[in-house]
Amino acid sequence: AQSVTQLDSQVPVFEEAPVELRCNYSSSVSVYLFWYVQYPNQGLQLLLKYLSGSTLVKGINGFEAEFNKSQTSFHLRKPSVHISDTAEYFCAVSVSGGYQKVTFGIGTKLQVIP
Amino acid sequence: EPEVTQTPSHQVTQMGQEVILRCVPISNHLYFYWYRQILGQKVEFLVSFYNNEISEKSEIFDDQFSVERPDGSNFTLKIRSTKLEDSAMYFCASSAEGVRHGYTFGSGTRLTVV
Repeated sequence: AQSVTQLDSQVPVFEEAPVELRCNYSSSVSVYLFWYVQYPNQGLQLLLKYLSGSTLVKGINGFEAEFNKSQTSFHLRKPSVHISDTAEYFCAVSVSGGYQKVTFGIGTKLQVIP
Repeated sequence: EPEVTQTPSHQVTQMGQEVILRCVPISNHLYFYWYRQILGQKVEFLVSFYNNEISEKSEIFDDQFSVERPDGSNFTLKIRSTKLEDSAMYFCASSAEGVRHGYTFGSGTRLTVV
């Protein structure tokens, strides 16, 4: 079975500062990795995904993530955050292929301070 | 941009009552899912549905739960006899070609069992 660990439950950061949200996964087979964002009172929105190939993945809203197989990590980064980035961010993993379910981490609340 | 629509946004029900949560997935999507998020906990997989049948279900998805796609557009989750511990946010999601394309989530239905 796959699992995801998000190491920080809350991350406060000042506006225009860089941020990194950490995610580690566990799986014995090849995986897909995702980051989703949830704004207040909304559903989850796909930020970016890693399927294969280049380990640096760029997503929407200026976010990027790097897949590191040796460290089983998929950390999310943004060089300069904006107030509108305040949200909850979920790392997720799936076995590669088909209609496989996605297993989510517990989420990291990003609070951008003006 | 196409959306997954869930109704109602909030439902309060008495313990032991049946509830039906409704979802309208994106029209050309083929894979459908229900997830739930108990307050303060992880987003948990309940069930996936493809080609008019359940393709996978979690151990949470016991005999009290059922899903249906009655008319080719709606996708419903029924809980036959609600328990207090069923109180959660329930998210519907759909996908065009399985997990590698990511899911599109609805905004959720907050179910409160009293």
